Amino acid sequence: EAGVTQFPSHSVIEKGQTVTLRCDPISGHDNLYWYRRVMGKEIKFLLHFVKESKQDESGMPNNRFLAERTGGTYSTLKVQPAELEDSGVYFCASSQGGRGNEQFFGPGTRLTVL
Amino acid sequence: GEDVEQSLFLSVREGDSSVINCTYTDSSSTYLYWYKQEPGAGLQLLTYIFSNMDMKQDQRLTVLLNKKDKHLSLRIADTQTGDSAIYFCAERVFNYGQNFVFGPGTRLSVLP
Repeated sequence: EAGVTQFPSHSVIEKGQTVTLRCDPISGHDNLYWYRRVMGKEIKFLLHFVKESKQDESGMPNNRFLAERTGGTYSTLKVQPAELEDSGVYFCASSQGGRGNEQFFGPGTRLTVL
Repeated sequence: GEDVEQSLFLSVREGDSSVINCTYTDSSSTYLYWYKQEPGAGLQLLTYIFSNMDMKQDQRLTVLLNKKDKHLSLRIADTQTGDSAIYFCAERVFNYGQNFVFGPGTRLSVLP
């Protein structure tokens, strides 16, 4: 069974440009999460989808970040316009329903904003 | 809000035991996790413990939880070079969002 996949693995962009990150969860997982780790600090929660609905987006840093999950399958996270402080590793995770279920993480996308 | 802290670096010799420590802010009902991240890979769940437990053992891994002191530790027995990685402590707070609160990660280096 394929795990959580993320694309691209690395992205280098200039300040002010737009970048879109993609996450493909494990098939059948209704829950999809985005996290990011900035400058070697702790991994911070960004938001949580249940199917196509945003269940909790309390971790989104500002309105330059837009997450979508049309159709309840893959998700995209767009940063527009990107700022220097957005550099970091963006992780996606998915899980089946229920509170006790394990979250399976993808390998992350390393974003560098110059 | 919730906060999880860890020391950032740990070096041990191959064959020795490693102990990675973590402190967290308490919640009424929570799971506590240890994740491992190898270079270029995602986060791999190693083990977890529910807050009403004080110890869990799984092969070379032993998790100890001191709920009074809000202290969690991961002991790796007979540490091998393949154990070199970043280890994240994480707390799951039972809120509606089901999200995790992670520590900054401890980079474990295993020396031959």
